[in-house]
Amino acid sequence: AQKVTQAQTEISVVEKEDVTLDCVYETRDTTYYLFWYKQPPSGELVFLIRRNSFDEQNEISGRYSWNFQKSTSSFNFTITASQVVDSAVYFCALSDLPSTGANNLFFGTGTRLTVIP
Amino acid sequence: EAQVTQNPRYLITVTGKKLTVTCSQNMNHEYMSWYRQDPGLGLRQIYYSMNVEVTDKGDVPEGYKVSRKEKRNFPLILESPSPNQTSLYFCASSSSNEQFFGPGTRLTVL
Repeated sequence: AQKVTQAQTEISVVEKEDVTLDCVYETRDTTYYLFWYKQPPSGELVFLIRRNSFDEQNEISGRYSWNFQKSTSSFNFTITASQVVDSAVYFCALSDLPSTGANNLFFGTGTRLTVIP
Repeated sequence: EAQVTQNPRYLITVTGKKLTVTCSQNMNHEYMSWYRQDPGLGLRQIYYSMNVEVTDKGDVPEGYKVSRKEKRNFPLILESPSPNQTSLYFCASSSSNEQFFGPGTRLTVL
């Protein structure tokens, strides 16, 4: 069965500090996708990244970077030089891919990040 | 603009009064689903639909119904809402390459 664990319930950092959000997943599938979503205080879900199981290259997008390691079943998310606008709940998710290729997402419980000015 | 819309965005109701939350997408996606978000539990899937007239239960289907008579619409029906269905609800629409979430519906059942 698919499972996503975000062990950090809440994290507080001071502005400009780096912060890493952990995500550990379980799946029996050999093909799967991993996602990160941001949920700001306004409540909507903002897509950040999708990574498939065959691509273990780390990815960087501005101040955001992601470290995917199949050996430890982890897909960690780092924000460099955090800003107050980064304050949000962040969800890691795992996609179950049936034959149609559609996405059925299994979410972690989320990590609430607070960036203190 | 590609989007998923939900209505209403906020709803306060009373136990037992039937309600429907609508969801519509304009991307011609075959796959749609409903999630609920609760504190400490993340998002959990309620129902999903892989195409018109094809629906199936997700992880937490009890107390909910859905229908998929048209490709673009996937309403969530609470026949007899109870306080434990107070939650934030998200509709989602996806293809093999992308997933879009609606803005969310915050439901309170008194």
